Amino acid sequence: AQSVSQHNHHVILSEAASLELGCNYSYGGTVNLFWYVQYPGQHLQLLLKYFSGDPLVKGIKGFEAEFIKSKFSFNLRKPSVQWSDTAEYFCAVRTGGYQKVTFGTGTKLQVIP
Amino acid sequence: GAVVSQHPSRVICKSGTSVKIECRSLDFQATTMFWYRQFPKKSLMLMATSNEGSKATYEQGVEKDKFLINHASLTLSTLTVTSAHPEDSSFYICSALPWTENTEAFFGQGTRLTVV
Repeated sequence: AQSVSQHNHHVILSEAASLELGCNYSYGGTVNLFWYVQYPGQHLQLLLKYFSGDPLVKGIKGFEAEFIKSKFSFNLRKPSVQWSDTAEYFCAVRTGGYQKVTFGTGTKLQVIP
Repeated sequence: GAVVSQHPSRVICKSGTSVKIECRSLDFQATTMFWYRQFPKKSLMLMATSNEGSKATYEQGVEKDKFLINHASLTLSTLTVTSAHPEDSSFYICSALPWTENTEAFFGQGTRLTVV
């Protein structure tokens, strides 16, 4: 069965700092990859997704992620964070042929003004 | 984007009673819906996959007789927590997958269940 690891559980950054959140998955076949964000008191929203093609994916709000197949990774990046990026971020993977999505444990990002 | 509505957003029930949570895809048809449970400071745990017109597939460790799932139409799935106990208190989230290929699942806003 597939699994997803997010190494950073809690990240604290100052505004304008750069962000990189790690995500690794374990599955040898075709994968669809996602990053979701959950703002305080709100439901999950999709930040970006990778299905195929260009491994560098751009999402909303200036976020991007790079799929590195050889490393089984899909790290999320943002060059300059804002206070409004304070939220919890979840990496998720869906494996080819299956519909269910497996989530990582989440990373809580706190941006200090 | 597509909208998934979950109702109720909050519910408090007495121990021993049953609670039904609805998940509706408002502007698309979903052949597959998922039910997750989110514990405090933990990730979303998939409970079951619900396919329209067939029995749900439960994840290991999830009691199917306790968490009854019905996916009667392409826009509605329900989760009924039967004979609820305080340990069932949690945040339950549904997501719906449009039947078109290469698309993500969309999430409801979640239901906070408190069993007293």
